[in-house]
Amino acid sequence: QSVLTQPPSVSAAPGQRVTISCSGSSSNIGNNYVSWYHQLPGTAPKLLMYENTKRPSGIPDRFSGSKSGTSATLGITGLQTGDEADYYCGTWDSTLSVYVFGTGTKVAVL
Amino acid sequence: EVQLVESGGALVKPGGSLRLSCEVLGLSFSDAWMTWVRQAPGEGLEWVGRSIPERGGGATDYAAPVKGRFTISRDYSRNMFYLQMNSLKIEDTAVYFCSWIDKTPSNLASWGPGTQVTVSS
Repeated sequence: QSVLTQPPSVSAAPGQRVTISCSGSSSNIGNNYVSWYHQLPGTAPKLLMYENTKRPSGIPDRFSGSKSGTSATLGITGLQTGDEADYYCGTWDSTLSVYVFGTGTKVAVL
Repeated sequence: EVQLVESGGALVKPGGSLRLSCEVLGLSFSDAWMTWVRQAPGEGLEWVGRSIPERGGGATDYAAPVKGRFTISRDYSRNMFYLQMNSLKIEDTAVYFCSWIDKTPSNLASWGPGTQVTVSS
C-alpha cells in the first residue's frame, strides 16, 4: 500500500500545463528529498526529477518540481503527446526505513 | 553511461525459489547503493529492498511483504547484484527492476529494463 498520495489522473490539451501533487508526511517528504519518475507502457521507469527540483541531463525544462512541507508537486508545461505516461513520486521514509512510492498519476493529452 | 540488465525471471510454483541477477556496468559498483523495485500487473511501483555497499556499512533493508523471504546480495568481483526469492507467493508476481541509487537515498537514478517473475500453480 502506497504511503504517498497522488491523483489517479490529470489531463489537458497540447501546449497546456498540468500539475501532479504528491502528499506524504513528516517521516518521508517532510524530511527527505523527493524524486519523480515517468513510465511509458511496457517500459522501465525513468528518473524525471531529483532532490525536489533538479532535472537529470536530457530532461527538458518544461518539467519542474517543487516541495513544501509534506507535499511535492511536478509541473509539466507545453504538454506534448509524448508526455502521456504514468508518473510516480518517491522518497525515503526515515521512520519506516523503506523507500515509498506515490500511487501514480496517468497523464493524458486531450 | 550506467547500464543495468536484469535476468533470471521465470514461471515458478507457489512456495518455490528463484534468484534474480542484475549486471551493473558504467559505475563504481563497490561504491554503489542499489535497490530492487517491482511492479505487479496493472499496478504501481513497489520497493522491495536496497543494499548499501560494504564501504558504506554494508546494510540491507527490506519491505515488509518480503522480509524474511527475500535476500539481497552482491558479487563485487563480477559487478552483479542479486535478489534471492524464497517461499514465493502468487502476489509476488511482477516485473522486477534493479536500480542504482545516486547522491541521496531518494534518488533512483538509473533502472534496468526489468525481468518478469510469475508465480502460479
